[in-house]
Amino acid sequence: AQSVTQLGSHVSVSEGALVLLRCNYSSSVPPYLFWYVQYPNQGLQLLLKYTTGATLVKGINGFEAEFKKSETSFHLTKPSAHMSDAAEYFCAVRASGGYQKVTFGTGTKLQVIP
Amino acid sequence: NAGVTQTPKFQVLKTGQSMTLQCAQDMNHNSMYWYRQDPGMGLRLIYYSASEGTTDKGEVPNGYNVSRLNKREFSLRLESAAPSQTSVYFCASKGGASNQETQYFGPGTRLLVL
Repeated sequence: AQSVTQLGSHVSVSEGALVLLRCNYSSSVPPYLFWYVQYPNQGLQLLLKYTTGATLVKGINGFEAEFKKSETSFHLTKPSAHMSDAAEYFCAVRASGGYQKVTFGTGTKLQVIP
Repeated sequence: NAGVTQTPKFQVLKTGQSMTLQCAQDMNHNSMYWYRQDPGMGLRLIYYSASEGTTDKGEVPNGYNVSRLNKREFSLRLESAAPSQTSVYFCASKGGASNQETQYFGPGTRLLVL
């Protein structure tokens, strides 16, 4: 079984401040991890993903995340928030190997304050 | 490429009515998914199709049926709609040699059941 926990359903940051969105996962086998972003009235789009290799993953729009196996975490960061980053962010996990379904977290809404 | 398209965008049904949500992708992907999104619950998998000709239940399949009509199309049917099925429905597809782990989402169908 696999699961994802996103800490904080709402996060507010000032424009230019650090963005940190937290995600912890559980998986019985090595995981594949994802962050998706959803803008209002749109579908989800992939920000970044970790499958194998380098544990620090860079994505679109200046976001990055680090896979930390010892902490079972995959937190999303961006050094400087922009107004256009206001959206809902979803962490997701899939167990590696074979065909496996993706499990999504409950989402974190990011508000950017001017 | 249109990506993943969904019809209709909005629908209002009365309890007991039936309808089919349509989804099509033009990326030659093998896998297709139907999710529902409810506030505070993230995305929950209703049904998925790992390849043409196969379908499997996800987390919340009750009250729904699906058809993988061909490689491009994956429809979701509500035989007798209930107010609990009021939600936003997303179709997604996954596959392709260069980006196998990424799911591509449609814009969603907003369904209200009265």
